Amino acid sequence: SQKIEQNSEALNIQEGKTATLTCNYTNYSPAYLQWYRQDPGRGPVFLLLIRENEKEKRKERLKVTFDTTLKQSLFHITASQPADSATYLCALARTDSGGGADGLTFGKGTHLIIQP
Amino acid sequence: SAVISQKPSRDICQRGTSLTIQCQVDSQVTMMFWYRQQPGQSLTLIATANQGSEATYESGFVIDKFPISRPNLTFSTLTVSNMSPEDSSIYLCSVGAWTAAYEQYFGPGTRLTVT
Repeated sequence: SQKIEQNSEALNIQEGKTATLTCNYTNYSPAYLQWYRQDPGRGPVFLLLIRENEKEKRKERLKVTFDTTLKQSLFHITASQPADSATYLCALARTDSGGGADGLTFGKGTHLIIQP
Repeated sequence: SAVISQKPSRDICQRGTSLTIQCQVDSQVTMMFWYRQQPGQSLTLIATANQGSEATYESGFVIDKFPISRPNLTFSTLTVSNMSPEDSSIYLCSVGAWTAAYEQYFGPGTRLTVT
C-alpha cells in the first residue's frame, strides 16, 4: 500500500541554523509534492509545490528538493527563527488534474521547534 | 487566496447521534475536499465534493456514514452519522486553487469529541 513517512515526529534546532525535514514515500508515483505548515488549532497552510520533473524549488528562506529515484523530498529552512516553530506536512497528489483539483495524501508531519 | 470558515469549531456529541459540519468559502470554487485528522495521525482524505454531482469517496469511507452536500459553489456540509468514539477527530474542508502552485486552502477545522 502507499506510504508516506516524515523523518521524525519532533525536531529541535538552534535559532539561526538550517532545519532539514525529510519526506519519503513508497508504492507511489506522485505527479507533484507539496509542503504545508500547520500551527496548533489551525488548518494547514500551503508553502511550496515541486513537480516530478523538478529537482529544486526555493522561496525566500525555504528550499525543497525532490528525488523521484530515491522517492524522497527534503525541506530546508535556512536561518531558522523561533517563529518557524510549527508542524510541517508533506503531501502528494496522485494525479495532475490541474488547478488544485486533486485530493492529497499527507504524511504525519514533523513538529519543528526552533530554540532561541 | 480563499478564506474558509467552518461551523462548529468544536463539539462534544453522544454516541449514536449525528453532527453536520458546515464549510463556507468566500469565493466560488469547483472542487471542495473533506479531510479527517485523528489524534497523532496525518490528514486523511474522506471525499471530494463537486458542485452538482455526487461526492467521490475514498477507500474506507462510505456515503451512509459521511453524507456530503454541495448545494452551490461556495458551500458544503459533511455529516458524521451514528457516531462512535472512533469518530473523534478534527474534520477539515479545503478548496483547490487554480494557480500554478495548485495550493489547497484549508478551513480551521472542526474538533469533534464523541463520548
